[in-house]
Amino acid sequence: DTGVSQDPRHKITKRGQNVTFRCDPISEHNRLYWYRQTLGQGPEFLTYFQNEAQLEKSRLLSDRFSAERPKGSFSTLEIQRTEQGDSAMYLCASSLVVPNTEAFFGQGTRLTVV
Amino acid sequence: GIQVEQSPPDLILQEGANSTLRCNFSDSVNNLQWFHQNPWGQLINLFYIPSGTKQNGRLSATTVATERYSLLYISSSQTTDSGVYFCAVDGAYGQNFVFGPGTRLSVLP
Repeated sequence: DTGVSQDPRHKITKRGQNVTFRCDPISEHNRLYWYRQTLGQGPEFLTYFQNEAQLEKSRLLSDRFSAERPKGSFSTLEIQRTEQGDSAMYLCASSLVVPNTEAFFGQGTRLTVV
Repeated sequence: GIQVEQSPPDLILQEGANSTLRCNFSDSVNNLQWFHQNPWGQLINLFYIPSGTKQNGRLSATTVATERYSLLYISSSQTTDSGVYFCAVDGAYGQNFVFGPGTRLSVLP
C-alpha cells in the first residue's frame, strides 16, 4: 500500500475558474477527510465521508465547495469560481473506524489562485 | 465543538536539548494523534494515543484523558526535528477530527 495519494500536487488557476482535486485513500479505509491549511495555521476541517456517505459538510467554506465519494473509494473536492482567498494547501486523510480511527494524510494539493 | 490548545506556540532549542510540548482539549476524545509537519507540508504520524504512554526512539507521549491533556517529549533533539508539531483530536460525541494551532520547533546546530 502506497498510502494516501493526492492529485495534482500543485495547481495554479485563474480567478473564476473551477478546480477539482482527487484523493485516493489507503485501501480498505472507510473514512476519508478533507482539510484546508493556510500559511501559519493548523489544518482546518472541511468535510468527511464514511464509505460513500458524507457525514459532515457544514464546515465546507461556502457553497462553492463540494465533495464527492461516489463509490466509497476515491474522493474529489471541487471549488467553483475560485477566489484568491482559496489559495491554500488542501489535505486529504483516511482512516478505519474499527479498531481505531488513526488518520493518515496525503501530501496535499497546493492551490494558487492568480 | 471540541477545542484544542497547544503550548508553547514557538520553541527554539539547541541541538541535544530536551523539550516537552503540551496539548489541552476541552472534551472527552476517542482519538488523539500527534503529527510532525515537515517543510514540504507532509503530516507525519508520530503517535496515536487517546490514553496512556507510548515511546518511539527519542520521542514519547503521554495522554491523561481524565485531565484532558497530552504531552509530547522530545529528547536529545536534532536539527531534523525542526518543524511544526500538531495535536489533533476526535471528540467522543461525534465531533470532527480537530487540530490544534501547533508548536513551531526550531533546533539549532
